[in-house]
Amino acid sequence: GDSVTQMEGPVTLSEEAFLTINCTYTATGYPSLFWYVQYPGEGLQLLLKATKADDKGSNKGFEATYRKETTSFHLEKGSVQVSDSAVYFCALRGALTGGGNKLTFGTGTQLKVEL
Amino acid sequence: NAGVTQTPKFQVLKTGQSMTLQCAQDMNHNSMYWYRQDPGMGLRLIYYSASEGTTDKGEVPNGYNVSRLNKREFSLRLESAAPSQTSVYFCASSVSHEQYFGPGTRLTVT
Repeated sequence: GDSVTQMEGPVTLSEEAFLTINCTYTATGYPSLFWYVQYPGEGLQLLLKATKADDKGSNKGFEATYRKETTSFHLEKGSVQVSDSAVYFCALRGALTGGGNKLTFGTGTQLKVEL
Repeated sequence: NAGVTQTPKFQVLKTGQSMTLQCAQDMNHNSMYWYRQDPGMGLRLIYYSASEGTTDKGEVPNGYNVSRLNKREFSLRLESAAPSQTSVYFCASSVSHEQYFGPGTRLTVT
């Protein structure tokens, strides 16, 4: 079945540092890929998405490129801020999920940004 | 625009008690979902409803039941709570690829 593997956290960075959170996936066909973010005490919210190979999703300074050859969708940001501290989830919607738009999530990576 | 709302926010149950978690969305979405979130496990799908009148099992359905009351509401019931059901529960709804999440219910079973 479909699966998502992402790097374990917590990841601790200083403000303005470069961020990479690795995500790889296993799926049949051509899935759609997502990054969700969960701020403390809140539900998840969509950060960015890519629906086909070589697409780049971007939002709020974060970027991720859908790489089919390496089955990866790594999240990057050039300069993190304290306000980016949150848990980040990589997810996929498989090509064969049928009805319901079900998502498969990774285990989440906690990011802590310090001054 | 409230989005996805969940009640209650917190709940403590004793083993064997029952309860229903409520979820409602005001975005006219067809699909709704219930997840549980546990440390180191990410989010795991319990049940989902692709459209009003249909429900299907997800990855971890045992010990739970659901009801899609109408297009807006999707409830999750624990008939006989167990300590293994201690978790944070999230409801979500979706249109196309994007899912919108509620704020969660933190449930503790003692």
